Amino acid sequence: AQSVTQLDSHVSVSEGTPVLLRCNYSSSYSPSLFWYVQHPNKGLQLLLKYTSAATLVKGINGFEAEFKKSETSFHLTKPSAHMSDAAEYFCVVSQNTGGFKTIFGAGTRLFVKA
Amino acid sequence: DAGVIQSPRHEVTEMGQEVTLRCKPISGHDYLFWYRQTMMRGLELLIYFNNNVPIDDSGMPEDRFSAKMPNASFSTLKIQPSEPRDSAVYFCASSPRTAHQPQHFGDGTRLSIL
Repeated sequence: AQSVTQLDSHVSVSEGTPVLLRCNYSSSYSPSLFWYVQHPNKGLQLLLKYTSAATLVKGINGFEAEFKKSETSFHLTKPSAHMSDAAEYFCVVSQNTGGFKTIFGAGTRLFVKA
Repeated sequence: DAGVIQSPRHEVTEMGQEVTLRCKPISGHDYLFWYRQTMMRGLELLIYFNNNVPIDDSGMPEDRFSAKMPNASFSTLKIQPSEPRDSAVYFCASSPRTAHQPQHFGDGTRLSIL
Protein backbone atom coordinates (compact mmCIF):
# COMPACT_ATOMS: atom_id res chain seq x y z
CA ALA A 1 0.00 0.00 0.00
CA GLN A 2 1.19 3.49 -0.64
CA SER A 3 0.64 6.63 1.39
CA VAL A 4 2.04 10.12 1.78
CA THR A 5 2.22 12.20 4.94
CA GLN A 6 2.96 15.89 5.03
CA LEU A 7 4.20 16.45 8.53
CA ASP A 8 3.12 20.08 8.90
CA SER A 9 -0.25 21.55 8.00
CA HIS A 10 1.14 25.10 8.30
CA VAL A 11 4.64 26.54 8.08
CA SER A 12 5.47 30.18 8.69
CA VAL A 13 8.81 31.77 7.73
CA SER A 14 10.19 35.25 7.34
CA GLU A 15 11.10 36.56 3.92
CA GLY A 16 14.70 35.73 3.10
CA THR A 17 14.92 32.73 5.47
CA PRO A 18 15.05 29.06 4.43
CA VAL A 19 11.96 27.00 3.73
CA LEU A 20 11.55 23.34 4.72
CA LEU A 21 8.34 21.46 3.94
CA ARG A 22 8.42 17.85 5.08
CA CYS A 23 7.00 14.82 3.33
CA ASN A 24 7.24 11.12 4.18
CA TYR A 25 5.93 8.42 1.91
CA SER A 26 5.22 4.73 1.95
CA SER A 27 5.31 2.62 -1.19
CA SER A 28 5.65 -1.05 -1.96
CA TYR A 29 7.34 -0.32 -5.27
CA SER A 30 9.73 2.27 -6.63
CA PRO A 31 7.57 5.35 -6.62
CA SER A 32 7.59 8.56 -8.54
CA LEU A 33 7.38 11.59 -6.27
CA PHE A 34 6.22 15.09 -7.03
CA TRP A 35 5.74 18.44 -5.37
CA TYR A 36 2.97 20.72 -6.57
CA VAL A 37 2.13 24.28 -5.55
CA GLN A 38 -1.33 25.83 -5.45
CA HIS A 39 -1.81 29.57 -5.31
CA PRO A 40 -5.20 30.99 -4.30
CA ASN A 41 -7.96 30.37 -6.82
CA LYS A 42 -5.61 28.46 -9.07
CA GLY A 43 -5.02 24.84 -9.98
CA LEU A 44 -1.99 22.87 -8.90
CA GLN A 45 1.28 23.53 -10.69
CA LEU A 46 4.21 21.13 -10.81
CA LEU A 47 7.28 22.30 -8.88
CA LEU A 48 9.50 19.27 -9.37
CA LYS A 49 9.50 15.51 -9.82
CA TYR A 50 11.61 12.51 -8.86
CA THR A 51 11.51 9.44 -11.10
CA SER A 52 14.49 7.30 -9.99
CA ALA A 53 17.23 9.43 -11.51
CA ALA A 54 19.27 11.87 -9.39
CA THR A 55 18.19 11.91 -5.76
CA LEU A 56 18.51 15.69 -5.51
CA VAL A 57 15.90 17.23 -7.73
CA LYS A 58 15.81 20.88 -8.71
CA GLY A 59 12.55 22.55 -9.58
CA ILE A 60 11.19 25.90 -10.55
CA ASN A 61 11.46 29.10 -8.51
CA GLY A 62 14.55 27.92 -6.63
CA PHE A 63 12.93 24.94 -4.95
CA GLU A 64 14.60 21.57 -4.63
CA ALA A 65 13.89 18.25 -2.95
CA GLU A 66 15.99 15.29 -1.92
CA PHE A 67 14.82 11.72 -2.20
CA LYS A 68 16.05 9.70 0.79
CA LYS A 69 15.04 6.09 0.43
CA SER A 70 16.41 5.07 3.85
CA GLU A 71 14.24 7.68 5.53
CA THR A 72 11.33 7.39 3.04
CA SER A 73 11.35 11.15 2.82
CA PHE A 74 11.09 13.72 0.05
CA HIS A 75 11.38 17.09 1.79
CA LEU A 76 11.04 20.33 -0.16
CA THR A 77 13.49 23.15 0.50
CA LYS A 78 14.35 26.64 -0.68
CA PRO A 79 17.31 28.67 0.60
CA SER A 80 15.50 32.00 0.77
CA ALA A 81 11.76 32.54 0.93
CA HIS A 82 10.03 35.18 -1.14
CA MET A 83 6.63 36.69 -0.49
CA SER A 84 5.37 35.13 -3.71
CA ASP A 85 6.10 31.65 -2.30
CA ALA A 86 3.10 31.93 0.03
CA ALA A 87 0.80 29.15 -1.17
CA GLU A 88 -0.24 25.58 -0.46
CA TYR A 89 2.17 22.79 -1.31
CA PHE A 90 1.28 19.17 -2.03
CA CYS A 91 3.54 16.15 -1.92
CA VAL A 92 2.40 13.40 -4.30
CA VAL A 93 3.42 9.76 -4.65
CA SER A 94 2.60 7.77 -7.75
CA GLN A 95 3.27 4.24 -8.86
CA ASN A 96 2.22 1.95 -11.66
CA THR A 97 1.68 -1.61 -10.49
CA GLY A 98 -0.48 -2.79 -13.33
CA GLY A 99 -2.87 -0.01 -12.43
CA PHE A 100 -2.20 3.65 -12.02
CA LYS A 101 -2.34 4.93 -8.44
CA THR A 102 -1.57 8.43 -7.26
CA ILE A 103 -1.91 9.72 -3.73
CA PHE A 104 -1.91 13.41 -2.81
CA GLY A 105 -0.76 14.58 0.59
CA ALA A 106 -3.04 16.75 2.70
CA GLY A 107 -1.06 19.87 1.86
CA THR A 108 1.13 22.33 3.76
CA ARG A 109 0.21 25.98 3.75
CA LEU A 110 3.28 28.20 3.65
CA PHE A 111 3.05 31.69 5.13
CA VAL A 112 5.81 34.21 4.40
CA LYS A 113 6.18 37.20 6.72
CA ALA A 114 7.68 40.48 5.55
CA ASP B 1 0.33 26.83 -25.45
CA ALA B 2 -3.15 26.76 -23.95
CA GLY B 3 -3.45 24.93 -20.68
CA VAL B 4 -6.37 22.93 -19.37
CA ILE B 5 -9.51 25.01 -19.72
CA GLN B 6 -12.44 24.60 -17.36
CA SER B 7 -15.83 26.23 -17.47
CA PRO B 8 -17.58 27.78 -15.76
CA ARG B 9 -15.15 29.22 -13.19
CA HIS B 10 -17.93 29.71 -10.70
CA GLU B 11 -21.35 28.12 -10.44
CA VAL B 12 -24.04 28.87 -7.90
CA THR B 13 -27.26 26.90 -8.05
CA GLU B 14 -30.01 25.57 -5.86
CA MET B 15 -30.11 22.04 -4.58
CA GLY B 16 -31.87 19.61 -6.85
CA GLN B 17 -30.66 21.29 -10.00
CA GLU B 18 -28.47 19.60 -12.57
CA VAL B 19 -24.89 20.88 -12.75
CA THR B 20 -22.54 20.33 -15.67
CA LEU B 21 -18.85 21.13 -15.45
CA ARG B 22 -16.74 21.21 -18.58
CA CYS B 23 -13.11 20.58 -19.35
CA LYS B 24 -10.87 20.91 -22.38
CA PRO B 25 -7.58 19.08 -21.84
CA ILE B 26 -4.26 19.98 -23.38
CA SER B 27 -4.08 18.80 -26.96
CA GLY B 28 -2.22 15.52 -27.30
CA HIS B 29 -2.64 14.47 -23.68
CA ASP B 30 -3.93 10.93 -23.29
CA TYR B 31 -5.09 11.10 -19.68
CA LEU B 32 -7.80 13.23 -18.15
CA PHE B 33 -8.59 13.44 -14.45
CA TRP B 34 -11.43 14.94 -12.44
CA TYR B 35 -10.74 15.98 -8.83
CA ARG B 36 -12.76 17.51 -6.04
CA GLN B 37 -11.16 19.72 -3.38
CA THR B 38 -12.73 20.61 -0.05
CA MET B 39 -11.34 21.85 3.23
CA MET B 40 -12.51 18.74 5.04
CA ARG B 41 -11.37 16.05 2.60
CA GLY B 42 -8.58 17.74 0.67
CA LEU B 43 -8.02 16.74 -2.94
CA GLU B 44 -9.89 13.63 -4.08
CA LEU B 45 -9.58 11.85 -7.40
CA LEU B 46 -13.07 11.21 -8.74
CA ILE B 47 -12.42 9.52 -12.07
CA TYR B 48 -9.82 9.35 -14.81
CA PHE B 49 -9.87 8.56 -18.51
CA ASN B 50 -7.25 7.14 -20.84
CA ASN B 51 -7.82 7.81 -24.53
CA ASN B 52 -11.42 8.83 -23.77
CA VAL B 53 -12.18 5.58 -21.92
CA PRO B 54 -13.01 5.69 -18.19
CA ILE B 55 -10.40 3.64 -16.36
CA ASP B 56 -11.15 4.13 -12.68
CA ASP B 57 -14.31 5.73 -11.34
CA SER B 58 -14.01 4.36 -7.82
CA GLY B 59 -13.74 7.88 -6.46
CA MET B 60 -17.11 9.00 -7.77
CA PRO B 61 -19.08 9.55 -4.59
CA GLU B 62 -22.56 8.54 -5.69
CA ASP B 63 -24.69 7.67 -8.67
CA ARG B 64 -25.65 11.33 -8.82
CA PHE B 65 -22.21 11.94 -10.30
CA SER B 66 -21.39 10.99 -13.87
CA ALA B 67 -18.53 11.84 -16.22
CA LYS B 68 -18.13 11.50 -19.95
CA MET B 69 -15.43 12.09 -22.50
CA PRO B 70 -17.01 11.98 -25.95
CA ASN B 71 -13.78 12.95 -27.69
CA ALA B 72 -10.15 13.74 -26.97
CA SER B 73 -10.76 17.45 -26.49
CA PHE B 74 -13.77 17.54 -24.20
CA SER B 75 -15.05 16.08 -20.97
CA THR B 76 -17.98 16.77 -18.68
CA LEU B 77 -18.71 16.06 -15.04
CA LYS B 78 -22.40 16.09 -14.24
CA ILE B 79 -24.19 16.13 -10.89
CA GLN B 80 -27.89 15.37 -10.92
CA PRO B 81 -29.56 16.15 -8.59
CA SER B 82 -27.11 18.43 -6.79
CA GLU B 83 -26.93 18.69 -2.99
CA PRO B 84 -25.33 21.29 -0.68
CA ARG B 85 -22.61 18.80 0.31
CA ASP B 86 -21.43 18.79 -3.31
CA SER B 87 -20.16 22.32 -2.84
CA ALA B 88 -16.43 22.25 -3.57
CA VAL B 89 -13.83 23.24 -6.13
CA TYR B 90 -13.68 20.77 -8.99
CA PHE B 91 -10.47 20.45 -10.95
CA CYS B 92 -9.76 18.87 -14.27
CA ALA B 93 -6.22 17.80 -15.13
CA SER B 94 -4.58 16.15 -18.08
CA SER B 95 -1.29 14.38 -18.61
CA PRO B 96 0.61 13.02 -21.60
CA ARG B 97 1.73 9.49 -22.39
CA THR B 98 1.80 7.79 -19.01
CA ALA B 99 0.10 8.38 -15.70
CA HIS B 100 3.45 9.10 -14.09
CA GLN B 101 3.91 12.18 -16.14
CA PRO B 102 3.11 15.41 -14.33
CA GLN B 103 -0.52 16.41 -14.42
CA HIS B 104 -1.50 19.82 -15.77
CA PHE B 105 -4.38 21.34 -13.85
CA GLY B 106 -7.05 23.77 -14.88
CA ASP B 107 -7.97 26.65 -12.60
CA GLY B 108 -11.03 24.81 -11.31
CA THR B 109 -14.75 25.39 -11.02
CA ARG B 110 -15.95 26.69 -7.68
CA LEU B 111 -19.37 25.12 -7.15
CA SER B 112 -21.82 26.34 -4.53
CA ILE B 113 -25.07 24.47 -4.00
CA LEU B 114 -27.58 26.46 -1.94
